[in-house]
Amino acid sequence: GENVEQHPSTLSVQEGDSAVIKCTYSDSASNYFPWYKQELGKGPQLIIDIRSNVGEKKDQRIAVTLNKTAKHFSLHITETQPEDSAVYFCAASHPGGSYIPTFGRGTSLIVHP
Amino acid sequence: NAGVTQTPKFRVLKTGQSMTLLCAQDMNHEYMYWYRQDPGMGLRLIHYSVGEGTTAKGEVPDGYNVSRLKKQNFLLGLESAAPSQTSVYFCASQDEGKKTQYFGPGTRLLVL
Repeated sequence: GENVEQHPSTLSVQEGDSAVIKCTYSDSASNYFPWYKQELGKGPQLIIDIRSNVGEKKDQRIAVTLNKTAKHFSLHITETQPEDSAVYFCAASHPGGSYIPTFGRGTSLIVHP
Repeated sequence: NAGVTQTPKFRVLKTGQSMTLLCAQDMNHEYMYWYRQDPGMGLRLIHYSVGEGTTAKGEVPDGYNVSRLKKQNFLLGLESAAPSQTSVYFCASQDEGKKTQYFGPGTRLLVL
């Protein structure tokens, strides 16, 4: 089955810096890669996703890149703000698995004011 | 729309007791999931359902049972609670078109 590795497990940055979280996947059939943000005491919420037919997607300060050949994808957050502090999860899924996602273990992002 | 709701929000059980966690969604999604979240372990899939009347095992199904008698509800049961089941439980439903999962606010369970 699919295996998703996520790094780092903890990331500490200063306000205004950029943050990058990386994930690798094992199943070349995977073609949908969402990123979820989990704030303290809440359930995860989708912030951005990318499909295998594109290499990059942006939404204001966040972007995701995908390298299908290397089987890795990354989340980029620019101009970080304290409210970006949360746990971020990557996931991978494919049609053969009914798009049931396999999640990474999460990255705790801390943005210091 | 309320989205995905979970009851209860918090519960304390004694070892050996049983309980049922309720998940409800109002988005008419076919797929529903139960996860547990433990420190450093991410989200682990317990059971899932691809439609009313269907259920399937996930990564960590032992000690749990589920039922999907109505499309909008997905119940998670603990038959005989153990301290190892102390965790935060999340329910999610999935949009088949966009593939996005929508999570509930979670149930925090403490088994003594």
